Amino acid sequence: LAKTTQPISMDSYEGQEVNITCSHNNIATNDYITWYQQFPSQGPRFIIQGYKTKVTNEVASLFIPADRKSSTLSLPRVSLSDTAVYYCLVPNSGGYQKVTFGTGTKLQVIP
Amino acid sequence: DAGVTQSPTHLIKTRGQQVTLRCSPKSGHDTVSWYQQALGQGPQFIFQYYEEEERQRGNFPDRFSGHQFPNYSSELNVNALLLGDSALYLCASSPGLAYNEQFFGPGTRLTVL
Repeated sequence: LAKTTQPISMDSYEGQEVNITCSHNNIATNDYITWYQQFPSQGPRFIIQGYKTKVTNEVASLFIPADRKSSTLSLPRVSLSDTAVYYCLVPNSGGYQKVTFGTGTKLQVIP
Repeated sequence: DAGVTQSPTHLIKTRGQQVTLRCSPKSGHDTVSWYQQALGQGPQFIFQYYEEEERQRGNFPDRFSGHQFPNYSSELNVNALLLGDSALYLCASSPGLAYNEQFFGPGTRLTVL
């Protein structure tokens, strides 16, 4: 069973860059790493997905080292609206959508 | 374009009762997954439906069952409710089994008294 480990919580001031690291020691060779964001009383929202090296989109970057045993979600210049729980996911055996979310990282952005 | 919709928003039941939750996937999506999220925890995978069949299942008892209709909408049924079934139930859809990104609905908050 694929397992991820993330910090339980992080605090950051507005305007700073935030990096959240996730370890996934037993990731399979062909597995993608996916990050979701969840606000209270809402469903999770897809942020970014990657396989290796670096992926960037309009909201975040994802850095994956060569050994792929960890990945880092980078949020540039966070604002108060980025306060949420962030989940790192890797697939379980049986398919990409049978995923384990874990407890996630609760990011608190401070004014 | 409506996203994933779920009904009802909130529900209160008593122990031993049965409940049915409903989900309509995002337009163009044919795969639906259900998740249970207890307070303070991450979502836990219950099962996934594609072509009206259960394709994958998480570690949940047979009290949890589901159905997918020809229009791709889905239902989650829970029998013999326990206090521990109180949670936010999330539905997620995607355009196929092999698609990595899932689109989640707002969830149904179930309280079992």
